[in-house]
Amino acid sequence: AQKVTQAQTEISVVEKEDVTLDCVYETRDTTYYLFWYKQPPSGELVFLIRRNSFDEQNEISGRYSWNFQKSTSSFNFTITASQVVDSAVYFCALSEARTGANNLFFGTGTRLTVIP
Amino acid sequence: DGGITQSPKYLFRKEGQNVTLSCEQNLNHDAMYWYRQDPGQGLRLIYYSQIVNDFQKGDIAEGYSVSREKKESFPLTVTSAQKNPTAFYLCASSAGGRSNQPQHFGDGTRLSIL
Repeated sequence: AQKVTQAQTEISVVEKEDVTLDCVYETRDTTYYLFWYKQPPSGELVFLIRRNSFDEQNEISGRYSWNFQKSTSSFNFTITASQVVDSAVYFCALSEARTGANNLFFGTGTRLTVIP
Repeated sequence: DGGITQSPKYLFRKEGQNVTLSCEQNLNHDAMYWYRQDPGQGLRLIYYSQIVNDFQKGDIAEGYSVSREKKESFPLTVTSAQKNPTAFYLCASSAGGRSNQPQHFGDGTRLSIL
């Protein structure tokens, strides 16, 4: 079964619009970690954020914010006032305490295109 | 600057040929990983190593081999047994093998068949 689902394959927005990327996860572990990565056209994955299962506080970093809701098993990512440089593929990932970082489950990614 | 260096950026393989992808890190990380990325898919784990001279198979290890003779190096060999090697390969490292450690990635190597 898919542990991380990113239902949005591709999203296009016009510059300065807000956009939310959805991530739904599945785990039986009580201790787990969620991550978001950005993959720009150059190819490398850039680590954006880590969230642990015990901390449901939302986080804001500049134009980026993350909404973690255990009740719906979701960890959504919002970009406010999008810019062309935000165009990339974004991956959500899950790591479970019992299996360690060796099993980092990735979603299939959401390709975001910001149109100038 | 600390980081992960993968080389080459592009690689072409002939039928029946083994090719080796290089991955070097200067982050002093203990754990290193190799992933394969196919279009429209997430990353799939090929091999990982938590310590020098030790490595474990991931989900899709068939047709691949690795070595970990030095902490900073984790080369991946794509053997002729891998019948569909065309993909984007990403190397990563983390400070340890614990689940809360974020993995940091290199720029990737794109492998194609001639």
